[in-house]
Amino acid sequence: ELKVEQNPLFLSMQEGKNYTIYCNYSTTSDRLYWYRQDPGKSLESLFVLLSNGAVKQEGRLMASLDTKARLSTLHITAAVHDLSATYFCAVEINTDKLIFGTGTRLQVFP
Amino acid sequence: ETGVTQTPRHLVMGMTNKKSLKCEQHLGHNAMYWYKQSAKKPLELMFVYNFKEQTENNSVPSRFSPECPNSSHLFLHLHTLQPEDSALYLCASSHGGGLNSPLHFGNGTRLTVT
Repeated sequence: ELKVEQNPLFLSMQEGKNYTIYCNYSTTSDRLYWYRQDPGKSLESLFVLLSNGAVKQEGRLMASLDTKARLSTLHITAAVHDLSATYFCAVEINTDKLIFGTGTRLQVFP
Repeated sequence: ETGVTQTPRHLVMGMTNKKSLKCEQHLGHNAMYWYKQSAKKPLELMFVYNFKEQTENNSVPSRFSPECPNSSHLFLHLHTLQPEDSALYLCASSHGGGLNSPLHFGNGTRLTVT
């Protein structure tokens, strides 16, 4: 059974600090997605990583994929309050079938 | 406006009721999905439809019955649910056909079973 695990599950960090969220998965896949969910809202697509070594950046967030290690990271640089949300990674295991991770709830405080 | 619209936003139903959730996408996508989001659990894939054909049924109990009359509409028919079925039900769509595109989610239906 495929497992997609995120670490940490909860992250409280101060504005201006850097941190990394990790996503480990248990089966072969070279396609991974990151999503953001604000409380009471839907999921919003952040990044699509389609090959080993892929790196994408948008603002203060950078995502990378290492398919050999079955690991993706979401790095936060100089966090701001607006980044407070829950972040999910999702692994594509068959055509159009996504399995989501447990989610990381991020809180950024002053 | 997410491009994927779900109705109703909230639903309270008894265990003997029958109700339906509706999802409509205006993105020209060919694949549609139902996910269940419960507290403290990962999103669970329930059903996938690709070009109106069901391609995934993730061991979902028969009290949940999906229907996809065309590529733009997806329903989830509910009957004799249990309290543990209370959750946020999310509909999503994508280009489908393995085009490596992200899912676009609706705002969800918050279901409470009493």
